[in-house]
Amino acid sequence: DIQMTQSPSSLSASIGDRVTITCQASQDISNYLNWYQQKPGKAPKVLIYDASNLKTGVPSRFSGSGSGTHFTLTIASLQPEDIATYYCQQRDTLPLTFGGGTRVEIQ
Amino acid sequence: EVQLVESGGGLVQPGGSLRLSCAASGLSFSDHYIDWVRQAPGKGLEWLGRYGNIAKTDTTEYAPSVKGRFTISRDESTNSMYLQMNSLKSEDTAVYYCARWFTVAGAYWYFDLWGRGTLVTVSS
Repeated sequence: DIQMTQSPSSLSASIGDRVTITCQASQDISNYLNWYQQKPGKAPKVLIYDASNLKTGVPSRFSGSGSGTHFTLTIASLQPEDIATYYCQQRDTLPLTFGGGTRVEIQ
Repeated sequence: EVQLVESGGGLVQPGGSLRLSCAASGLSFSDHYIDWVRQAPGKGLEWLGRYGNIAKTDTTEYAPSVKGRFTISRDESTNSMYLQMNSLKSEDTAVYYCARWFTVAGAYWYFDLWGRGTLVTVSS
């Protein structure tokens, strides 16, 4: 199985801050990496697909980059509604695997 | 409205079995891959398996962690999917989601539609 390692596991930032979450794959997954946002008690929602493609309707403050084994999700200016847990997920090889999640809180 | 709705969760004893359902409205399972994903309390997401009937060919895939214990099936007449879970263990306690594995022109793939989930608790 491909292991996905996210860091940090949690972070606290102020409104307006730039926030960066990283995801590392245990092997080359090209750009087959999706990012999801999950709010408490809700199902995940896709933000970014294939590393850098913003899902229609997702605010442009979210962006993704990377390829191979190293990926990042950036929130350009943190907003109160961005409080959530973020997961990366590889689709290169079955079984699909997710990172452990990054919990984002407001400072 | 296009939606997925899970049901069938509850309390089950270790070693027991449970069958979860995923009912679809506004979409046909025949046209999509539908996956099962679970989330243990306070933990991350774990992919369990997939059913697809693309081009009229049945396909099922499973995560190694549940292969042989969990079985995914479909009832075309009711547009429902099922996750049969046997030999349940305490570590199977989780919210179980069904989700659509969606493609954009066969080039991009991601989970675009999720149910609300159903809670399974394995405990004596």
